Amino acid sequence: GNSVTQMEGPVTLSEEAFLTINCTYTATGYPSLFWYVQYPGEGLQLLLKATKADDKGSNKGFEATYRKETTSFHLEKGSVQVSDSAVYFCASNTGNQFYFGTGTSLTVIP
Amino acid sequence: DTAVSQTPKYLVTQMGNDKSIKCEQNLGHDTMYWYKQDSKKFLKIMFSYNNKELIINETVPNRFSPKSPDKAHLNLHINSLELGDSAVYFCASSRQGDSPLHFGNGTRLTVT
Repeated sequence: GNSVTQMEGPVTLSEEAFLTINCTYTATGYPSLFWYVQYPGEGLQLLLKATKADDKGSNKGFEATYRKETTSFHLEKGSVQVSDSAVYFCASNTGNQFYFGTGTSLTVIP
Repeated sequence: DTAVSQTPKYLVTQMGNDKSIKCEQNLGHDTMYWYKQDSKKFLKIMFSYNNKELIINETVPNRFSPKSPDKAHLNLHINSLELGDSAVYFCASSRQGDSPLHFGNGTRLTVT
């Protein structure tokens, strides 16, 4: 069946550090892939997406590349800021069936 | 204009009561969802409606009943509330195909 697995947190980084949050998926067919961000007390917001293999999604300095060969969609940012502190969710969509990872909490300290 | 709006934002109630959460989307999407997020931030799909028809009904107690009067609205009614129902409930909507989910800001339900 379909599923999404992402690295467990919490992750704590110093400002300007490099961020990687790993995400892998299993799917029948070819899903679309997403990263969502949830700031404290708010709903989930779409951060970036990729709809086919080798697509790179990017937004606000975050990037993720759809890797079909490794079934991965790792989230990266070269230099994190305190304002990036949030929970990040990886998700897949096949035929309007969405599958979410368990979320990774990120705290960036000054 | 808010794309997916749900009310109320906070709901505090006692065990055994019945309560409703309302959700509306103005995006013209065909599909709407209810998710439950627990204290560990884990998201669980509860229901999904497409054009007012139920298409996903996960293992949810039948105390929970969704109602979709039209494709822009999906309300959630909960009977005989229990302590374990305390969580944040998110409404979401999407277009058909590869489109992402658009979430509301959540309703924090606290059952005492």
